Amino acid sequence: AQTVTQSQPEMSVQEAETVTLSCTYDTSESDYYLFWYKQPPSRQMILVIRQEAYKQQNATENRFSVNFQKAAKSFSLKISDSQLGDAAMYFCAYRVLDSNYQLIWGAGTKLIIKP
Amino acid sequence: GAGVSQSPSNKVTEKGKDVELRCDPISGHTALYWYRQSLGQGLEFLIYFQGNSAPDKSGLPSDRFSAERTGGSVSTLTIQRTQQEDSAVYLCASSFGSENTQYFGPGTRLTVL
Repeated sequence: AQTVTQSQPEMSVQEAETVTLSCTYDTSESDYYLFWYKQPPSRQMILVIRQEAYKQQNATENRFSVNFQKAAKSFSLKISDSQLGDAAMYFCAYRVLDSNYQLIWGAGTKLIIKP
Repeated sequence: GAGVSQSPSNKVTEKGKDVELRCDPISGHTALYWYRQSLGQGLEFLIYFQGNSAPDKSGLPSDRFSAERTGGSVSTLTIQRTQQEDSAVYLCASSFGSENTQYFGPGTRLTVL
C-alpha cells in the first residue's frame, strides 16, 4: 500500500528566509503524481505545486520549488523569501497516474513565519 | 470562475441526529471527491464520483454514511444517527478529466455534541 510521510510536525522560519519541508513516500508504482497543498486557518486546501513522476525536471511555481528524488522517494518543498501569508499547514499528497481518485496524504507540517 | 463551494460552513448537531452536507463542484468538472479531516490529521478519503456514479465507496467508514450526486453536479453526503466520532471537517474536491488536479472547497466543520 502507498504511504506518505511528513516527519516534521512543525517548522518555523524567519520572514524573508528560505525553508524546506520534507516528504517521503512509499510505492511500487512507476508513474504517479505528487502534490503539495497548503491549508491556512480558513480551511481551504490550496494547490501549491504538482510534480509528474515521469518528469525529471523539478517543478517550480514562483517562490515555491520542489526537490524530487524518485529513487529515494523523496519530494521536499522549498519556500524562498518566506512571507507572513505563507503561514499554514502544508500537506504532501500522492496519486497513481492512471487512477482518477483518492489522494494519499501525509499528516501535514505546520509552518510558522516569524516576523 | 467560481470554485468549489460547500454548505453549511459549520454544523452543530446532537448525537443521533441525521445531517446532510452539500458540495457544488466547479462547473464542468466530472469527478467529485469527499474527504474527512479529523483534528490535527491529514485527509481521509471517503468516496469518489465520476459523473453520477460512485465507482469507489470503500472509504465510507460505516453504513451510516451515504452520498449521492445528481445531474453530474451537486453532491450530498448524508450521515445518519451521528456519533461524536463523526466530528471533523468534511472537504469536497472536484477535478476535470485527465488533468487530475483536485480543487477543494472550504469544507464543512461538523460538531456532534
